[in-house]
Amino acid sequence: DGGITQSPKYLFRKEGQNVTLSCEQNLNHDAMYWYRQDPGQGLRLIYYSQIVNDFQKGDIAEGYSVSREKKESFPLTVTSAQKNPTAFYLCASSEGGRARGNEQFFGPGTRLTVL
Amino acid sequence: QKEVEQNSGPLSVPEGAIASLNCTYSDRGSQSFFWYRQYSGKSPELIMFIYSNGDKEDGRFTAQLNKASQYVSLLIRDSQPSDSATYLCAVRRGSTLGRLYFGRGTQLTVWP
Repeated sequence: DGGITQSPKYLFRKEGQNVTLSCEQNLNHDAMYWYRQDPGQGLRLIYYSQIVNDFQKGDIAEGYSVSREKKESFPLTVTSAQKNPTAFYLCASSEGGRARGNEQFFGPGTRLTVL
Repeated sequence: QKEVEQNSGPLSVPEGAIASLNCTYSDRGSQSFFWYRQYSGKSPELIMFIYSNGDKEDGRFTAQLNKASQYVSLLIRDSQPSDSATYLCAVRRGSTLGRLYFGRGTQLTVWP
């Protein structure tokens, strides 16, 4: 059963803590993405990776870090430097490359709340 | 100017009507255009994508693209209450591999 999984579904963080959100895909996709969504807002890109061991900052990378050591996995760490981390975090993947479609598919999301 | 703009709505239509959702984009070199549906509290799911001028139909959904006007739309025929959701327009520019630019979404309500 192919797809994208994210864990945990809900996450609570105390101020000053780093937390790591998991994203795994078994679609054999090369590209993976992390987005943040705030209420009433669209999706804002945090980081993306087109290939293993390489990633690029998106529009709101400050306070976040990622790694891409395996094709299947793209974990996101929300550091204490991120001042307003409460949001819905979405991971996506796509085949990658310059194909005209190259559509992105989303995982179920992680809802992070800072206490 | 935002990369991708959508009317935030809410858009309200009766059951059985045609819902029309609109999206404009700023980069004339944009190549591919995507429509996602997002139910409240859930993640976006892809409805369809289009990259050639004209219409593309998939069941009750029709995407329309006009590159000259930098405009893409989604028509939902025979709207159902289950279509009530937020619809996100996304654009892939020609200069950037893979990444999409999203609009803020249009909230659609279909009332019985």
